[in-house]
Amino acid sequence: EPEVTQTPSHQVTQMGQEVILRCVPISNHLYFYWYRQILGQKVEFLVSFYNNEISEKSEIFDDQFSVERPDGSNFTLKIRSTKLEDSAMYFCASTPAGTGVLQPQHFGDGTRLSIL
Amino acid sequence: AQSVAQPEDQVNVAEGNPLTVKCTYSVSGNPYLFWYVQYPNRGLQFLLKYITGDNLVKGSYGFEAEFNKSQTSFHLKKPSALVSDSALYFCAVRDRGGGSYIPTFGRGTSLIVHP
Repeated sequence: EPEVTQTPSHQVTQMGQEVILRCVPISNHLYFYWYRQILGQKVEFLVSFYNNEISEKSEIFDDQFSVERPDGSNFTLKIRSTKLEDSAMYFCASTPAGTGVLQPQHFGDGTRLSIL
Repeated sequence: AQSVAQPEDQVNVAEGNPLTVKCTYSVSGNPYLFWYVQYPNRGLQFLLKYITGDNLVKGSYGFEAEFNKSQTSFHLKKPSALVSDSALYFCAVRDRGGGSYIPTFGRGTSLIVHP
């Protein structure tokens, strides 16, 4: 079964540095998402992306964050000037075309981001 | 606004016994409801969903959930628990009439199945 893949599995970064988290969604999916999960807490929505633009974003997704689909396969989350509170698991997800909004999301295994 | 509550942080059950993981929701209209499971160091995996139709929904790995509109609940159930069911379970809701296409997730319930 096709999977959403995320790299790296663990990223350690100094506070203030920029990080790019990478995701390869399932190939025929058209809706893409980023979520984060701070240790022991709930899964929080960050942003959704469709047709090469952001379709929805949460209050968490401020100017520090950006997303990009640089080619036909990758979907990236960039965090500028990282802060300690950005430490979390970041999950990428995708859903298929058509009634994608009713389809279950397929999640990657996440990138654990540790800010020192 | 849409929200979901999972009132139990942890559920303990003996292998072979039935299990229930509770979920209640709040939406302004009608809900779409989902259950996901998360194993250690893995992403969320879809278990089942309620969109419309029968209130009893069957999903993966023998799980089922019952939509109860009057109680605004969508509890996850399994008749006979396995040790391998031990994981973190997330309920999610999306308001059918809302402007957002994004589901809201609960805090998660840790299910521990004892041998």
